[in-house]
Order: sequence, then C-alpha cells, then structure tokens
Amino acid sequence: QKEVEQNSGPLSVPEGAIASLNCTYSDRGSQSFFWYRQYSGKSPELIMFIYSNGDKEDGRFTAQLNKASQYVSLLIRDSQPSDSATYLCAVHNAGNNRKLIWGLGTSLAVNP
Amino acid sequence: ETGVTQTPRHLVMGMTNKKSLKCEQHLGHNAMYWYKQSAKKPLELMFVYSLEERVENNSVPSRFSPECPNSSHLFLHLHTLQPEDSALYLCASSQDGLAGGPFVNEQFFGPGTRLTVL
Repeated sequence: QKEVEQNSGPLSVPEGAIASLNCTYSDRGSQSFFWYRQYSGKSPELIMFIYSNGDKEDGRFTAQLNKASQYVSLLIRDSQPSDSATYLCAVHNAGNNRKLIWGLGTSLAVNP
Repeated sequence: ETGVTQTPRHLVMGMTNKKSLKCEQHLGHNAMYWYKQSAKKPLELMFVYSLEERVENNSVPSRFSPECPNSSHLFLHLHTLQPEDSALYLCASSQDGLAGGPFVNEQFFGPGTRLTVL
C-alpha cells in the first residue's frame, strides 16, 4: 500500500474553473501536510502547508484537511494556464524527524 | 531565483567515473537535503544534514557519499554508479523551527542535476 496516494491524472480543467486535487495518506500519526507545485523540468516549490483540520485559504488556493478520513486536498479557484503543472502532496510525522513522505503527484492541465 | 544553486545542471558519467554534485544555499538555513527524483517514483530522501551533522541516511548505497563542510554547502560524491542511478538529484534547504511545534519548515529546492549513467 502506497503511503501517500494521488491520482496521477492528467486532470484537465478549463480556464476559470475550480481544480480539485486530492491526496490520501496511510500514517494516522501524520501531523503536517504540504502541497508543492512542480513545473516540467523545474524543481518543486511550496504552495501551501496545513496541520489543522479544516480549510486554509491563501489567495486562489485552499487546502482542506480531514485527519479522520486521512485526506487532504488542494482547490485552485479561477484556474489559469500558468497553473498547469504537477502538484505533489507531502506528509510529515514528527516521529520521522525531517523526512517527508511524498506522493507521485497529479498532473494538472488548464486549457485556455 | 530560489536561493539554492546546484552544479552541474547536467552530468553524464560512466560507471567507473568519480564525480561530485555541489549545492549551495544563500538563505541562511541550518538544514540541507539530498533527494533523488526518478520517473514514476515519489521523491526519495537520501540524506539530511542539520547544523553540518548528518541526521538521516535513508539506506542509500555507499556509492553515494555526502559531505557538508558548512551550513551553506553540500556535496554528493558519486563513485561506481549504476545505470539505474540515472535520475534528477535535488538539493533542498530549510530552517528548523522550534521543537515541539508542528513541522512546517518550508524546504526550498535547487534546480537539480540531471544525471545520466552510461
């Protein structure tokens, strides 16, 4: 069983729509959750982190965490073609020191 | 500009060669990481250094040897690699937060070194 699962996609949405990216994790002791964006040929960059149940909003991005369901999601409102990238979910358990457990990523394509 | 630089950006080497990857961070961080990114696999953490001391070594083969001479520089020495070691090698840095709090340290990644082993 994969520790962090993401739908590989590609997820295709029209420009201006809401893109919904999902991530499930197996370690119930996980405490911190990260969303990174990786453009093709580039390195990952942090979009958001969340560690409390509920929603966290930052501009067009909203992270949602449900620890009971072991589920974290990222919503992108008013999607733009520049949002087209692979979105990586990473999960941390304090017992793992600094090690993040990464998903394979979901490829998002925003069509003009 | 991410504040983390890596050289070289591309490297082709034979299985008998010895080469080194270099990473430098200009962010004043106190922790540095080496990751391996292969197609269709999650990011794999290889090594972590905190305050120049290695704190994690995730069962990486001995043909990979890290070195952290100071908090701004990190090297990965490569020796007798295999073709399956071909991948993107990413360096990252972070600033450790307060103990006991949620782990929210953002890791800043360098552009990576694309390694091909022939």
